[in-house]
Amino acid sequence: DVKVTQSSRYLVKRTGEKVFLECVQDMDHENMFWYRQDPGLGLRLIYFSYDVKMKEKGDIPEGYSVSREKKERFSLILESASTNQTSMYLCASSSLGTLRGYTFGSGTRLTVV
Amino acid sequence: KQEVTQIPAALSVPEGENLVLNCSFTDSAIYNLQWFRQDPGKGLTSLLLIQSSQREQTSGRLNASLDKSSGRSTLYIAASQPGDSATYLCARAAGNKLTFGGGTRVLVKP
Repeated sequence: DVKVTQSSRYLVKRTGEKVFLECVQDMDHENMFWYRQDPGLGLRLIYFSYDVKMKEKGDIPEGYSVSREKKERFSLILESASTNQTSMYLCASSSLGTLRGYTFGSGTRLTVV
Repeated sequence: KQEVTQIPAALSVPEGENLVLNCSFTDSAIYNLQWFRQDPGKGLTSLLLIQSSQREQTSGRLNASLDKSSGRSTLYIAASQPGDSATYLCARAAGNKLTFGGGTRVLVKP
């Protein structure tokens, strides 16, 4: 069964910490995405990548960076976590052209205290 | 701005009733339209994918239609069950970008 795996289901971090959220897909997909989901705001795109070492800003990139050193892995980095980054983070992947749709991971619930 | 809207935001039905969930989008230049299910605190599970050249897709009790000219997609769930209770999200794909609706929260009462 094809999968997008997010390394942590729940994380609690302190304000100012550097936080890494990891995502791995086993479908050989070119595209990978990071979203955050908040009540009343829906899903918002933070960053996406269409190839190794390539990245594009989404709608809300401020306070985040990403890394894609290998095709199967896409990392989201919070350089200095803040309480307003408490959220559900969802990783997704898709093949080039998105003809087969998107596959999502199970999410990481991050709480910044 | 490309927008995707889902109305109603919440829906409650008795078990056995058919569900009709609506999704509308402002830009007809889509690659595909995808429906997802999300259980509380969980990730998104893909239900159906309709490519832009298609009009509908079916899987078991689920059927999704796509009308690009009117900018609408509808998800039908036949003979609803309590296990269908979840939030249903539609998403419009264009290029490498997926734009989500706000979702419809469904409660199926036994």
